[in-house]
Amino acid sequence: QKEVEQDPGPLSVPEGAIVSLNCTYSNSAFQYFMWYRQYSRKGPELLMYTYSSGNKEDGRFTAQVDKSSKYISLFIRDSQPSDSATYLCAMTTDSWGKLQFGAGTQVVVTP
Amino acid sequence: DGGITQSPKYLFRKEGQNVTLSCEQNLNHDAMYWYRQDPGQGLRLIYYSQIVNDFQKGDIAEGYSVSREKKESFPLTVTSAQKNPTAFYLCASTLQGASNQPQHFGDGTRLSIL
Repeated sequence: QKEVEQDPGPLSVPEGAIVSLNCTYSNSAFQYFMWYRQYSRKGPELLMYTYSSGNKEDGRFTAQVDKSSKYISLFIRDSQPSDSATYLCAMTTDSWGKLQFGAGTQVVVTP
Repeated sequence: DGGITQSPKYLFRKEGQNVTLSCEQNLNHDAMYWYRQDPGQGLRLIYYSQIVNDFQKGDIAEGYSVSREKKESFPLTVTSAQKNPTAFYLCASTLQGASNQPQHFGDGTRLSIL
């Protein structure tokens, strides 16, 4: 079993809809949680970064962490075609920042 | 602009050949990382380095080698011992190698076998 599980999709939504993404994990020691967006043939770009449980909002993006359930989510409001990308969750516990990644979910926002 | 530069963007390797991927950063970051990304899989850590002249193996180091002679540079060599080198290689860096500093990535090198 992988330490971090993420549905690969693809997830197709109409423009303007809410995109809901999630990851589950098995290691209860994870403390720092990240969401990256990756366009085709590009490197991952950091979207959200949260510590421990709780919610964090940044513009159209909301990240949620539920450590008791070992479950993290990313919501994208008012989705745009430019949001079409692969979204990777990542998390870490080590002091030197070794990240464990999910496989990534491909999102397609149709006009 | 500060950032991480990976080169070349595309690279082809012949059987039995070693190839070197370049990664340079001008962010004054201490720690640097190499990942491999295969279709449908998450990123897997190959090597990482927290300071100059020091580096450690990640989860899939076999068939790869690195050096860290300068703070801003962390080249990765894919040796002939790596039997399945075709993948997208990503370099990342972070300020202190601490878990409260997110990693930033370059735009990758796509390696293929001829």
